[in-house]
Amino acid sequence: GAGVSQSPSNKVTEKGKDVELRCDPISGHTALYWYRQSLGQGLEFLIYFQGNSAPDKSGLPSDRFSAERTGGSVSTLTIQRTQQEDSAVYLCASSLTSGTGVHEQYFGPGTRLTVT
Amino acid sequence: AQKVTQAQTEISVVEKEDVTLDCVYETRDTTYYLFWYKQPPSGELVFLIRRNSFDEQNEISGRYSWNFQKSTSSFNFTITASQVVDSAVYFCALSPGTGRRALTFGSGTRLQVQP
Repeated sequence: GAGVSQSPSNKVTEKGKDVELRCDPISGHTALYWYRQSLGQGLEFLIYFQGNSAPDKSGLPSDRFSAERTGGSVSTLTIQRTQQEDSAVYLCASSLTSGTGVHEQYFGPGTRLTVT
Repeated sequence: AQKVTQAQTEISVVEKEDVTLDCVYETRDTTYYLFWYKQPPSGELVFLIRRNSFDEQNEISGRYSWNFQKSTSSFNFTITASQVVDSAVYFCALSPGTGRRALTFGSGTRLQVQP
């Protein structure tokens, strides 16, 4: 079956511009996560969506970052007024959920964002 | 707060050698899950294993084996008879068993297997 897909694969933007990154999770996965991977900070959690619950935004680094998930499927991560320190690979992951237990997360190929 | 430490930044071995990647974690949760992921040069994170805190049984999958020891808060990964295709960055990760199930990753260990 299809895995997690992300678009675009690469994005170069000028400082101060807004960008939108898209994630299509695995069909049937109710949990969706965004992470960021950068040389200095490693892999960091950004935001977590679980079904119809309010998202956990505790990992977002500033209010310039926001995300939404429409119809319990596709998610968009938006970065407003991009800064050079936002340059990183943005990874999306999805997983099954159950009342108990934690399922493995499956990752997409990522979007490499470069802010010039 | 949760923390994962992978003290080995980079390891280089010759093909067919065995290699162990170390992972030490910190958590106050009584229920938690541990994971290993592989990130080959292509960049995509590949899931390898999940282990919950109540299951300390070691696991073997082909050339891969995992040793989970709660007493030392470690979850080490051994590759037997390494191959060039094993060259990658390997990440250990931790998730609480309840609530926010986001992963806390270690900094990764880069494994280079020389032919």
